Amino acid sequence: EVQLVESGGGLVQPGRSLKLSCAASGFTFSNYGMHWIRQAPTKGLEWVASISPSGGSTYYRDSVKGRFTISRDNAKSTLYLQMDSLRSEDTATYYCARGYYPGITGDWFAYWGQGTLVTVSS
Amino acid sequence: DVQMTQSPSNLAASPGESVSINCKASKSISKYLAWYQQKPGKANKLLIYSGSTLQSGTPSRFSGSGSGTDFTLTIRNLEPEDFGLYYCQQHNEYPWTFGGGTKLELK
Repeated sequence: EVQLVESGGGLVQPGRSLKLSCAASGFTFSNYGMHWIRQAPTKGLEWVASISPSGGSTYYRDSVKGRFTISRDNAKSTLYLQMDSLRSEDTATYYCARGYYPGITGDWFAYWGQGTLVTVSS
Repeated sequence: DVQMTQSPSNLAASPGESVSINCKASKSISKYLAWYQQKPGKANKLLIYSGSTLQSGTPSRFSGSGSGTDFTLTIRNLEPEDFGLYYCQQHNEYPWTFGGGTKLELK
């Protein structure tokens, strides 16, 4: 059974940093593209970042480019999101998700975790 | 960015009824649309991808149709577990974008 478990969320002041983790199990992690998607309170879903199976290619939405870094440790089956220079508008539940097909990054979100809440406030 | 417009934003129905949710893209996305279900306390669930292909485990009462800019999710013979939030998402080009969501409520 595919399982994705996010951690690392919490309350952080504007301008500070936070690092999220997503522990994966139930599949060969190194074969799949992985993604972060967020949802602000009472709002819809918003894609944040994606990473290729090897980690060699990354993609970001414009509003987080230069502030967020997606990475992965295939030996630990773990996905990360380093979030720097946080803003109030980054407040959201952050979900990690696995791609559908092995070997590619640009497909859809086949499995999701339950999310971790990040609150950016002074 | 491709804008995805979902309608209606709210929908009330009774078990046994059929409902349709629409999703319109601001430009052609070919067949590359996915549908997800969101329920409190549960992981989001992929229902349909590539416009009309049911994800393994999705009940056959769900169906997807459309291509280009206009897509529809239809749920026939609603079951109590079908009530929740539904989102469409285009997977044709970065940045991936979602519709605003449709809340399906019990009438």
